Amino acid sequence: ELKVEQNPLFLSMQEGKNYTIYCNYSTTSDRLYWYRQDPGKSLESLFVLLSNGAVKQEGRLMASLDTKARLSTLHITAAVHDLSATYFCAGASGGGADGLTFGKGTHLIIQP
Amino acid sequence: GAGVSQTPSNKVTEKGKYVELRCDPISGHTALYWYRQSLGQGPEFLIYFQGTGAADDSGLPNDRFFAVRPEGSVSTLKIQRTERGDSAVYLCASSLGQGLAGGFEQFFGPGTRLTVL
Repeated sequence: ELKVEQNPLFLSMQEGKNYTIYCNYSTTSDRLYWYRQDPGKSLESLFVLLSNGAVKQEGRLMASLDTKARLSTLHITAAVHDLSATYFCAGASGGGADGLTFGKGTHLIIQP
Repeated sequence: GAGVSQTPSNKVTEKGKYVELRCDPISGHTALYWYRQSLGQGPEFLIYFQGTGAADDSGLPNDRFFAVRPEGSVSTLKIQRTERGDSAVYLCASSLGQGLAGGFEQFFGPGTRLTVL
């Protein structure tokens, strides 16, 4: 059974700083996803990582995947207040279009 | 194009009642998923459909929960004899479900907030 652990679960940081959110998973996962959720809203897809060494970047966010270490990271560069949200990573243990197993989420607050 | 839609957005019911939650996926998406999200937690997988058939229903918590997708598009999640512990946000997602690996990216709807009194 796939288990996904994120850390930290809560993070308060100042604008302009850099930080990394970590996502460890317990068994082989074909794909690793990152989602963003604003309070009271649904999930917005940020990145889909498909292979070892995959790196994707969008604005101030960069995600990477190390399948050997069973680790994905979400790096925030020069944080701005608008990035305050809860970030989830999720994996899929089976092939194909299987349901996802989510971590508990990282609640990120970026203060001016 | 239109995203995943869910109705109702909010549902308040009494313990013991029956409820139906509806999901309309993105047009052309063959895979449809139901998740449940409790406050402060990540979404929890319930069931996934490939076309009309349930490909994996291992996440349904018990036999009070049932879902259908009779024509391979709209899906209904049905909960019988609701309990207070069923209160949560029920999220629906869809994906192309085939083709290149990126076709498995799941797009989520706004959710239905279910409150069981």
